[in-house]
Amino acid sequence: GEDVEQSLFLSVREGDSSVINCTYTDSSSTYLYWYKQEPGAGLQLLTYIFSNMDMKQDQRLTVLLNKKDKHLSLRIADTQTGDSAIYFCAEIPNAGNNRKLIWGLGTSLAVNP
Amino acid sequence: DTGVSQDPRHKITKRGQNVTFRCDPISEHNRLYWYRQTLGQGPEFLTYFQNEAQLEKSRLLSDRFSAERPKGSFSTLEIQRTEQGDSAMYLCASSLGGPDGYTFGSGTRLTVV
Repeated sequence: GEDVEQSLFLSVREGDSSVINCTYTDSSSTYLYWYKQEPGAGLQLLTYIFSNMDMKQDQRLTVLLNKKDKHLSLRIADTQTGDSAIYFCAEIPNAGNNRKLIWGLGTSLAVNP
Repeated sequence: DTGVSQDPRHKITKRGQNVTFRCDPISEHNRLYWYRQTLGQGPEFLTYFQNEAQLEKSRLLSDRFSAERPKGSFSTLEIQRTEQGDSAMYLCASSLGGPDGYTFGSGTRLTVV
């Protein structure tokens, strides 16, 4: 079946690194995504990784994919108060051409000054 | 083209009334999606269009819900005889079907009283 799980809350101090974890169940997933949602705002694509990659780095963001364990993580270096938001992990299962996203419940990141 | 637009941003309606939301996708995007998000949850897939064809509907979309994309450009989502359980954020997204995910609109927040 299709399921994406994330821890619900993470609290870090400003300047520290944040690591948000996600597990998924569909081993045939093609792409995995991280979205950010700020209060009252829409969903903003942060980054994505193709399933044949292990790592992707984009400025302060590092995505690690362990396909064997079906584990995805998002590391935010030098976390700032502006990074406070809900972070969603999402996958596109390989089945079908509709490319609909299956989402986790989101991890609420609180950055303390 | 400034992204995906949704109208209205907020809608308060009495139970039993009909409501209609509009989504204007990015003009060159042929794929359009509707998702629903309730508090503390990730988005749930409702329906998907490729051009003007509605190719998939979630079982979440009861007979009271209908969506159209008549000319393959803007889309409407109508809810008839609204119920309190319909209160949610309704999100529209569009894409070209490539790996870089969707572009989401800011959503329409529906409150049924």
